[in-house]
Amino acid sequence: GNSVTQMEGPVTLSEEAFLTINCTYTATGYPSLFWYVQYPGEGLQLLLKATKADDKGSNKGFEATYRKETTSFHLEKGSVQVSDSAVYFCARGGYSTLTFGKGTMLLVSP
Amino acid sequence: GAGVSQSPRYKVAKRGQDVALRCDPISGHVSLFWYQQALGQGPEFLTYFQNEAQLDKSGLPSDRFFAERPEGSVSTLKIQRTQQEDSAVYLCASSLGWGPGARNYGYTFGSGTRLTVV
Repeated sequence: GNSVTQMEGPVTLSEEAFLTINCTYTATGYPSLFWYVQYPGEGLQLLLKATKADDKGSNKGFEATYRKETTSFHLEKGSVQVSDSAVYFCARGGYSTLTFGKGTMLLVSP
Repeated sequence: GAGVSQSPRYKVAKRGQDVALRCDPISGHVSLFWYQQALGQGPEFLTYFQNEAQLDKSGLPSDRFFAERPEGSVSTLKIQRTQQEDSAVYLCASSLGWGPGARNYGYTFGSGTRLTVV
């Protein structure tokens, strides 16, 4: 079936460090790909998305490129801030719903 | 409304008790989804409605779980005879699109209902 695998956390970084969170997906069909962020005590918020191969989604300094050849959608940010501390979920859009990875916690210290 | 609203925000139930969780989607959104998020895990799909029709309920873990959306707007997820393993955050999401179109329109999530079964 459809699945999404993302790197385990927590990822611990100092402010202004470079961030990469890896995500790979099963290649069945032509899914859309998403990154969602969940701040403590809050619901899921869409961070960015890409709907077809080679698309780059970007928002708030975060970027991810839909790589069909490697079935990947890695999340990157050039300089993280303390306020980026949250849990990040990679998700694959199937026919009508989403399949999520297990989430990666990011902790950014001053 | 401006967002997806879920109530109650927190629910504590004694084992064996029935519970009902409510979701108010964004007005006009065709698709509505329920997810279950266990502690430290990603959300797991439970069921999907297109208007009032429940098109996919493959994720419901047992026949104790029942969902409805009788008028194509508000939805209720009911859990009968709750068990400890039902403890989780239950998330509702809605989308303006339907079928494959939902993923292009995107999904808006509510803040969830945290259910604790004691």
